[in-house]
Amino acid sequence: EAGVTQSPTHLIKTRGQQATLRCSPISGHTSVYWYQQALGLGLQFLLWYDEGEERNRGNFPPRFSGRQFPNYSSELNVNALELEDSALYLCASSLQQGNIQYFGAGTRLSVL
Amino acid sequence: GQQVMQIPQYQHVQEGEDFTTYCNSSTTLSNIQWYKQRPGGHPVFLIQLVKSGEVKKQKRLTFQFGEAKKNSSLHITATQTTDVGTYFCAGNSGAGSYQLTFGKGTKLSVIP
Repeated sequence: EAGVTQSPTHLIKTRGQQATLRCSPISGHTSVYWYQQALGLGLQFLLWYDEGEERNRGNFPPRFSGRQFPNYSSELNVNALELEDSALYLCASSLQQGNIQYFGAGTRLSVL
Repeated sequence: GQQVMQIPQYQHVQEGEDFTTYCNSSTTLSNIQWYKQRPGGHPVFLIQLVKSGEVKKQKRLTFQFGEAKKNSSLHITATQTTDVGTYFCAGNSGAGSYQLTFGKGTKLSVIP
């Protein structure tokens, strides 16, 4: 069974640009979560999608947005990139009725 | 909102010594989960505790859930270099929400 896959692995952008990160959940999982992990820091909750709807968002500005597609894959968009957006962005998925989260390997975003 | 505090932030031990990390929630939890993130890796689910006072063991790892379901601990006996990584606790408040609140993690270093 394939795990959670994220793409790209690395992404380099310049300040002011937009970044799009993608996540494919484990087959059968309908919930997708996005987290930001700055270097050496913990997991900061960004967004939670379930059944195509945004269920909750963390304390991040509106330039962080995303969506979930009918096949439950998800996209995270970050507009007007700032230097402090440089971090590892982790996606996790879970079953609709369960909450054990399975993480992907992450996308490392570098903003220059 | 719900907060999950985890201590210590860092722990350096000699190989063979024991290690404990503690997790405290500002609210009563429905369940608590523990994850391990190896250096350069992504968080991997270790265990979930649901019942008040529950104790679970995985080889040298012992997990406890407090009687009030507001705190938890992870104890590793006789640490090995393979135990190196960051250990996160994550709490779920229940009430129909499947979102987890992660602690900031305890980074364990094991000196051979």
